[in-house]
Amino acid sequence: GAVVSQHPSWVICKSGTSVKIECRSLDFQATTMFWYRQFPKQSLMLMATSNEGSKATYEQGVEKDKFLINHASLTLSTLTVTSAHPEDSSFYICSAQILERSYNEQFFGPGTRLTVL
Amino acid sequence: TQLLEQSPQFLSIQEGENLTVYCNSSSVFSSLQWYRQEPGEGPVLLVTVVTGGEVKKLKRLTFQFGDARKDSSLHITAAQPGDTGLYLCAGGSNYKLTFGKGTLLTVNP
Repeated sequence: GAVVSQHPSWVICKSGTSVKIECRSLDFQATTMFWYRQFPKQSLMLMATSNEGSKATYEQGVEKDKFLINHASLTLSTLTVTSAHPEDSSFYICSAQILERSYNEQFFGPGTRLTVL
Repeated sequence: TQLLEQSPQFLSIQEGENLTVYCNSSSVFSSLQWYRQEPGEGPVLLVTVVTGGEVKKLKRLTFQFGDARKDSSLHITAAQPGDTGLYLCAGGSNYKLTFGKGTLLTVNP
């Protein structure tokens, strides 16, 4: 149980285009989903927290107009990188918390490798 | 701002050796998770500890939560090449996790 999927697993796009990444909890409902960014051999950096049906909460320094988050249901959150630039190239990982649990456990997706040319 | 200091940052050992990874903070956490991540994949939850002084064992891995719930350790006995990966500790508070910087473990055959 507690499986989270992400799609796509990798994407290459041209500078100036937008890219959408989907995060789904496959076998549970998630009260909250999180989006992280990770640079090589470094830890995870929280970008934003999203709750179903409400606006996402962004961490300091993360541009909300550039990284659009939509949490349409208890099993789906999407991250759209708008007008992508080469510096947006990174590994993006989502996670989800189980509705019934209260121990802050997060279950992570497999990540999406974004390369902006 | 809550911080988790994780050490060591890098660790390269021979198969069969034991090792310990530490996570320390000045903040109290309601829970502490340990994750393992392989290159190009998402972190996988290994264990969650919630009670001060709690010890959990997962085969050759032993996890301990400090009495004051500010620190934790991960001990691996007789490390194997399959243990190679990035180990991350994460402290839970409210609904968020604060991650340590990670320990990149390499176990050489």
